[in-house]
Amino acid sequence: DVKVTQSSRYLVKRTGEKVFLECVQDMDHENMFWYRQDPGLGLRLIYFSYDVKMKEKGDIPEGYSVSREKKERFSLILESASTNQTSMYLCASSFRYEQFFGPGTRLTVL
Amino acid sequence: AQSVTQLDSHVSVSEGTPVLLRCNYSSSYSPSLFWYVQHPNKGLQLLLKYTSAATLVKGINGFEAEFKKSETSFHLTKPSAHMSDAAEYFCVVRIGDTGRRALTFGSGTRLQVQP
Repeated sequence: DVKVTQSSRYLVKRTGEKVFLECVQDMDHENMFWYRQDPGLGLRLIYFSYDVKMKEKGDIPEGYSVSREKKERFSLILESASTNQTSMYLCASSFRYEQFFGPGTRLTVL
Repeated sequence: AQSVTQLDSHVSVSEGTPVLLRCNYSSSYSPSLFWYVQHPNKGLQLLLKYTSAATLVKGINGFEAEFKKSETSFHLTKPSAHMSDAAEYFCVVRIGDTGRRALTFGSGTRLQVQP
């Protein structure tokens, strides 16, 4: 079974802090994705990566950056967290048609 | 541009009755379409997918969906709801046949199943 793990299930940070969300997949997938999920808005794509050190902006990249130094790991970085970044963050990896999702990190920014 | 609209934010059914979750899509190209389910405090799980083969697609847990190009719809159905079906369901569209392209999600439909 494909496994996508995220470093934390719940995270509480303060405004202005730098926040790292980590995602690891164990299936050697080339493509990895970061989404945020908000009630009534579904999932919105923040960034995705199709190879090591390669990245592309998604629909809502503002306030975020990413890092992919190894194939299995894709990090989402909030350079200076703000309250409007309080959300559920979901990581996914994919091969061809199906994306496999991690359990999510619920981030609260106070 | 591609988009997907889920016509109902909440659907409530009684256990044992049919389920219908509606989804319309917009795409300039031949799309791939998916339904994902998210149970409370759990990750997203793929229910079924349409990738230009048979228009009636069967998924897990008795769910199925029919791709209707003329109506640009991909509604999800199940003949008889079970309590364990209570969850949030997302209709999803993707263009392209590689994994590179990301998915566009609908806003979700929360399904309640009453005993």
